[in-house]
Amino acid sequence: ILNVEQSPQSLHVQEGDSTNFTCSFPSSNFYALHWYRWETAKSPEALFVMTLNGDEKKKGRISATLNTKEGYSYLYIKGSQPEDSATYLCAFLNDYKLSFGAGTTVTVRA
Amino acid sequence: DTGVSQNPRHKITKRGQNVTFRCDPISEHNRLYWYRQTLGQGPEFLTYFQNEAQLEKSRLLSDRFSAERPKGSFSTLEIQRTEQGDSAMYLCASSSNDRGRVHGELFFGEGSRLTVL
Repeated sequence: ILNVEQSPQSLHVQEGDSTNFTCSFPSSNFYALHWYRWETAKSPEALFVMTLNGDEKKKGRISATLNTKEGYSYLYIKGSQPEDSATYLCAFLNDYKLSFGAGTTVTVRA
Repeated sequence: DTGVSQNPRHKITKRGQNVTFRCDPISEHNRLYWYRQTLGQGPEFLTYFQNEAQLEKSRLLSDRFSAERPKGSFSTLEIQRTEQGDSAMYLCASSSNDRGRVHGELFFGEGSRLTVL
């Protein structure tokens, strides 16, 4: 079982503020790191698939960076909106299966 | 809707009963995964199919759990003699490895929530 850690477990953000949180993963035998957003009563939805050290990906106000040598990835939300409220999961790819962290639950207050 | 479909969405059963969940993946996807998620935890890998072949099964999965994917299309996950510890959200996901997309994203269904009384 691969150790994928996410912190913090939860956070509350004021609408309009920016925030970020962390995913740490094993730095050896790296293939890919995935980020998913899971809104309540919906299915998890892929945000990013990151494969190269130094990768930076962006989708609207959400972006992510990757450091495979030290084994961490950051996810950033700029100018948080209520619709950003969700649990954000990172997952480490190993042998064609993903090992997920426990997630960071973001609540954006209007 | 051409997404991943799971049913039933909710299942309440008494301890000792058998339950079966069904997953219909995106039609052109050859890979299918089952995950289990409990409160406060991330999804936990259960098993994985490439077409109709079950390539890996988690050591955490007891003999009471079995999964099939006949003809490489839909899949079923059966839990026999359910226990209260089986209460969880069971997630199905599919992906494609066509054109070398080894690292491709998973497309998830909305899950089947099991409550064992």
